[in-house]
Amino acid sequence: EDKVVQSPLSLVVHEGDTVTLNCSYEVTNFRSLLWYKQEKKAPTFLFMLTSSGIEKKSGRLSSILDKKELFSILNITATQTGDSAVYLCAVEAVYGGSQGNLIFGKGTKLSVKP
Amino acid sequence: NAGVTQTPKFRVLKTGQSMTLLCAQDMNHEYMYWYRQDPGMGLRLIHYSVGEGTTAKGEVPDGYNVSRLKKQNFLLGLESAAPSQTSVYFCASRRTSDVGRQYFGPGTRLTVT
Repeated sequence: EDKVVQSPLSLVVHEGDTVTLNCSYEVTNFRSLLWYKQEKKAPTFLFMLTSSGIEKKSGRLSSILDKKELFSILNITATQTGDSAVYLCAVEAVYGGSQGNLIFGKGTKLSVKP
Repeated sequence: NAGVTQTPKFRVLKTGQSMTLLCAQDMNHEYMYWYRQDPGMGLRLIHYSVGEGTTAKGEVPDGYNVSRLKKQNFLLGLESAAPSQTSVYFCASRRTSDVGRQYFGPGTRLTVT
């Protein structure tokens, strides 16, 4: 059975801290891994990773994928209160042609205290 | 562009009632999805569609039906609502060429009493 496991499930830090969120997966027919940020409403896209060892960066956020060890991490440096959200990891499993479905982890709830 | 929109935003149903949730997208995306999100459970796929007139079951399809009569709309129906269907429902869409990345609507919070 395909599964995606995120850890920790929740995390409380103070502004300025650096955090690392983890995502491990067991998925047949892997195509990509995605990170989303969810602040009360719709998940918003952060990164998509398809190749091992290549870091994606956007400002203070970065992510890397290890396809051999089947995990990804999301790093946030110099955290701000606006980073408080649930961070979702999803893995795309392919079922033929271009059709792929996302399998989501349960999310990591990050709370950043001032 | 409005992106992905969902109607209604909130709804309270009594057990046994029926309703339809509407998802609309103006991005000309081929693929559309319906998810439910429950506390501590993440997002789970209910049904999806790879194009107008086609639908397929996801991970948790029981108790739901869907239709995709027009490319821009994807309807999720509950024929006889049950308290276990209390959840937040998200619609998403993507282009065929946009590997992986899905665009999400704002969600519908449904309570079944």
